[in-house]
Amino acid sequence: DQQVKQNSPSLSVQEGRISILNCDYTNSMFDYFLWYKKYPAEGPTFLISISSIKDKNEDGRFTVFLNKSAKHLSLHIVPSQPGDSAVYFCAASASGSARQLTFGSGTQLTVLP
Amino acid sequence: KAGVTQTPRYLIKTRGQQVTLSCSPISGHRSVSWYQQTPGQGLQFLFEYFSETQRNKGNFPGRFSGRQFSNSRSEMNVSTLELGDSALYLCASSLAGQGTGELFFGEGSRLTVL
Repeated sequence: DQQVKQNSPSLSVQEGRISILNCDYTNSMFDYFLWYKKYPAEGPTFLISISSIKDKNEDGRFTVFLNKSAKHLSLHIVPSQPGDSAVYFCAASASGSARQLTFGSGTQLTVLP
Repeated sequence: KAGVTQTPRYLIKTRGQQVTLSCSPISGHRSVSWYQQTPGQGLQFLFEYFSETQRNKGNFPGRFSGRQFSNSRSEMNVSTLELGDSALYLCASSLAGQGTGELFFGEGSRLTVL
């Protein structure tokens, strides 16, 4: 039973355009959501997070949107750069288990020059 | 500031053996979590330690165990290895004692079981 789902295994975007990565969750207890980026042979790197009391959080080129009623979140990268090419993981946690993250299966983003 | 350090980076074992992996968290971080990454199951939570106590445990058999030392360094052990234990084992540390907090991951220990 996948509680966090990333239905797109891969996404290709032209440099300078917007990248939109999507994530759905099923567990209503999740109240904190994170995005991680992973390059080959490296551990995941934290990108951005959002609490369930918000519906948007921005950090430079990265914006995360949360739609609690739809149990859906998305990561927008604007503008996309070739260095953004990596696997992006969506993760979620519940209060009291903040470091017990449930990860999605990841989306391979390729930004074409 | 040094990152999370995991040793060894690569190792090969045979079925039935046991293995111990080590993790040194970022200085000052007291929470250490372990995750298993496999192509089929993705990233799955193993357990979390804080102040030498296991605080949370994922859905893994008892063959998987861990501990944390007073200097926050952590080890995980897998006994009676099975082929399916072949995976990348990731350690993550965080500063927060309670509540939310981003995790800082190491580069992982890649275990191959033959």
